[in-house]
Amino acid sequence: DAGVIQSPRHEVTEMGQEVTLRCKPISGHNSLFWYRQTMMRGLELLIYFNNNVPIDDSGMPEDRFSAKMPNASFSTLKIQPSEPRDSAVYFCASSTDLLAGVNNEQFFGPGTRLTVL
Amino acid sequence: AQSVSQHNHHVILSEAASLELGCNYSYGGTVNLFWYVQYPGQHLQLLLKYFSGDPLVKGIKGFEAEFIKSKFSFNLRKPSVQWSDTAEYFCAASRNQGGKLIFGQGTELSVKP
Repeated sequence: DAGVIQSPRHEVTEMGQEVTLRCKPISGHNSLFWYRQTMMRGLELLIYFNNNVPIDDSGMPEDRFSAKMPNASFSTLKIQPSEPRDSAVYFCASSTDLLAGVNNEQFFGPGTRLTVL
Repeated sequence: AQSVSQHNHHVILSEAASLELGCNYSYGGTVNLFWYVQYPGQHLQLLLKYFSGDPLVKGIKGFEAEFIKSKFSFNLRKPSVQWSDTAEYFCAASRNQGGKLIFGQGTELSVKP
């Protein structure tokens, strides 16, 4: 298994531009999580999905952030317009169906390092 | 509110020293507990986990953690650290049977050769 796949690994963009981060969860995993990691705030959960449905988006910082999961094997996190304070490492993670009460260990992707100039 | 607290922000040890990193959680009901490790420039990897049963959990690379329910704690231990253990360590918790994972602030461990 290739694990959780994220792209791009690095993204440098200018303030005001749209940024799209992509994630492919582990095959068979029904839950997907987006996290942001910064020095100041540590690791924050932004949003998570179960069976492609957003369950909790209370961690999404503001309306500039949006996330979708059109199918079980793909998710995007979009920032429009981007700002310098969005610079961070964004991790995607997946796990088996958390609502079914099974082992909900999360497996993390390598992350996308975003720099907004 | 649910929360996870790690007491030490940065720990510096010499090789062969013993390690204990503190973690306390604030959760109602049954809880799952995890320790993740993030080596420099890498993504988070699971070190060990507790779901139920024996409160002393053994993980990879000689790490272990003890779940003490009365103290709401899940401290990470290793009897003798190595330089390669230099990393950031995150304690995390979730409700049993579902729920999001709440991470502590992380503890940066620096091991001097």
